[in-house]
Amino acid sequence: DSGVTQTPKHLITATGQRVTLRCSPRSGDLSVYWYQQSLDQGLQFLIQYYNGEERAKGNILERFSAQQFPDLHSELNLSSLELGDSALYFCASSGGKPASYEQYFGPGTRLTVT
Amino acid sequence: AQKITQTQPGMFVQEKEAVTLDCTYDTSDPSYGLFWYKQPSSGEMIFLIYQGSYDQQNATEGRYSLNFQKARKSANLVISASQLGDSAMYFCATAPVYQGGKLIFGQGTELSVKP
Repeated sequence: DSGVTQTPKHLITATGQRVTLRCSPRSGDLSVYWYQQSLDQGLQFLIQYYNGEERAKGNILERFSAQQFPDLHSELNLSSLELGDSALYFCASSGGKPASYEQYFGPGTRLTVT
Repeated sequence: AQKITQTQPGMFVQEKEAVTLDCTYDTSDPSYGLFWYKQPSSGEMIFLIYQGSYDQQNATEGRYSLNFQKARKSANLVISASQLGDSAMYFCATAPVYQGGKLIFGQGTELSVKP
């Protein structure tokens, strides 16, 4: 158990819909990262937050947005869903200890768009 | 830009033998980290080992060791005494070493351990 929690574990929805994925980082970690894993694109970085502020952006679509709340949990919002958005979405956290760079991943949310 | 190359899509190893999974990297960051993750069929990503670019010694964590050769830009994972539970996908990744560097992953190597 990495200490990172993600809900829900599975999500099945229709095209055009909007969903919210939730992540709680490990206790003490200030950074939260979102990654997408799909068969054709592999593991791709989407976005990172550090202590409530956006730190870095990767290949995140405009239809996707995220935020980190004061209690450090984070949400990834996916809207106008398309079939190609079906993927495993991971949240990871790091930064709990000084000079600690390891990122610990949650169990992931498997999104299926039908 | 950073890039990770894992040239072995799949590998087999006999139980109790050692195996080396290859990883080469390319990065322009002056200070960076190299990571290995394991992804079993259940899907979770398990952190295995980390090597900093300025670390003088190769990292070890139990049966895992990272063979870091900076001049060759390689960061191979060595698993000693393979176990059936080691069967999984293994991903090499790199990230700049500052507060919160994003991970760039390779395509992965699928390891199968035979009894």
